[in-house]
Amino acid sequence: TQLLEQSPQFLSIQEGENLTVYCNSSSVFSSLQWYRQEPGEGPVLLVTVVTGGEVKKLKRLTFQFGDARKDSSLHITAAQPGDTGLYLCAGNGDSNYQLIWGAGTKLIIKP
Amino acid sequence: EPEVTQTPSHQVTQMGQEVILRCVPISNHLYFYWYRQILGQKVEFLVSFYNNEISEKSEIFDDQFSVERPDGSNFTLKIRSTKLEDSAMYFCASSEQGAYGYTFGSGTRLTVV
Repeated sequence: TQLLEQSPQFLSIQEGENLTVYCNSSSVFSSLQWYRQEPGEGPVLLVTVVTGGEVKKLKRLTFQFGDARKDSSLHITAAQPGDTGLYLCAGNGDSNYQLIWGAGTKLIIKP
Repeated sequence: EPEVTQTPSHQVTQMGQEVILRCVPISNHLYFYWYRQILGQKVEFLVSFYNNEISEKSEIFDDQFSVERPDGSNFTLKIRSTKLEDSAMYFCASSEQGAYGYTFGSGTRLTVV
């Protein structure tokens, strides 16, 4: 069974600080995706990483896919209150259709 | 920006009743999905649909569940006889290229009483 473990589960920091959240597995994934979910809403896709070692930037967010395609990280620089939310990683491993989901990191940025 | 539309946003039903959850995927997407999320738990895959047939389904998607694309735009999930444990947020999603990035709807909150 393929699993994705996210850490930390919960993070509360001050505005302006940097942070990194992690998504780890013992399995290889052909792609990993990061989503952000607001309460009562569906997940919103932030990025898809496909190639081992790939780095993608989305403004102050930097996403990296591990060389072995088993893990990924999300780094936020100078966090702002608008970054508050639940960040989910999801990957497709053996399947072309379904995604395996992490449990999420709940991020709170205090002004 | 194109979006996936789900209706209703909230449905309350009696145990044993049938419910139909409706979704309008993005028009040029070819892959359609249903996921669910029980409060405080992980997002769980239910079923994927491609080329007018189920391409993959999970153990959760038993004989009580069915999906249909009755016309060119709607994609529905039917639960034949709801149980208390079916209470969850149900999300529809669609994609252009399989599991390489979905667009999700806002979900239907199903409450079975």
